[in-house]
Amino acid sequence: DAMVIQNPRYQVTQFGKPVTLSCSQTLNHNVMYWYQQKSSQAPKLLFHYYDKDFNNEADTPDNFQSRRPNTSFCFLDIRSPGLGDAAMYLCATSRGQGGAAFFGQGTRLTVV
Amino acid sequence: AQKVTQAQTEISVVEKEDVTLDCVYETRDTTYYLFWYKQPPSGELVFLIRRNSFDEQNEISGRYSWNFQKSTSSFNFTITASQVVDSAVYFCALSEAFTGNQFYFGTGTSLTVIP
Repeated sequence: DAMVIQNPRYQVTQFGKPVTLSCSQTLNHNVMYWYQQKSSQAPKLLFHYYDKDFNNEADTPDNFQSRRPNTSFCFLDIRSPGLGDAAMYLCATSRGQGGAAFFGQGTRLTVV
Repeated sequence: AQKVTQAQTEISVVEKEDVTLDCVYETRDTTYYLFWYKQPPSGELVFLIRRNSFDEQNEISGRYSWNFQKSTSSFNFTITASQVVDSAVYFCALSEAFTGNQFYFGTGTSLTVIP
């Protein structure tokens, strides 16, 4: 029944080594989001796609990139992870225009 | 400016007590949507409820109820007869028709229900 699936659940990467997180959805929603959430903080929006239209938040570092090859999949690429990028990364989808966002279980990224 | 304010950072209640989580929002849009999410220790954000700005009718769903008041820009959430499984961080969020698909989250309220 999982509707938004993130892989892997836990990811350990080395400082500076590129890493990719993946997200897939079965809801056929137009919008897909990537959020970063650090301990005891609110989720912070990194970027989102409305269909193929990419929307980057102004304060999202260039180190973070995203790809959405089709409706169902979205990827988060961190080109050179730093210690400060250790966080929970949450993928979400919505139909847009006021629809609720549905979240995956998240990927907890550790940078060593 | 913070669009969603959850003034309560942490709340502890004893099991079976009622608890209300406060949420105050700020928007200039006339069409907007409000949400509550629950984040248990496992980390997944679970959608609880959505209200639109034109529907101030309060809602009850089992032990959960929501009080939406446009006059005070508040969208409060009450859990009656709290249970240990209610322990989680609760986030209030706002989405505006003008800004399209963005969600603005409050900073969350951490609820601990003590057995």
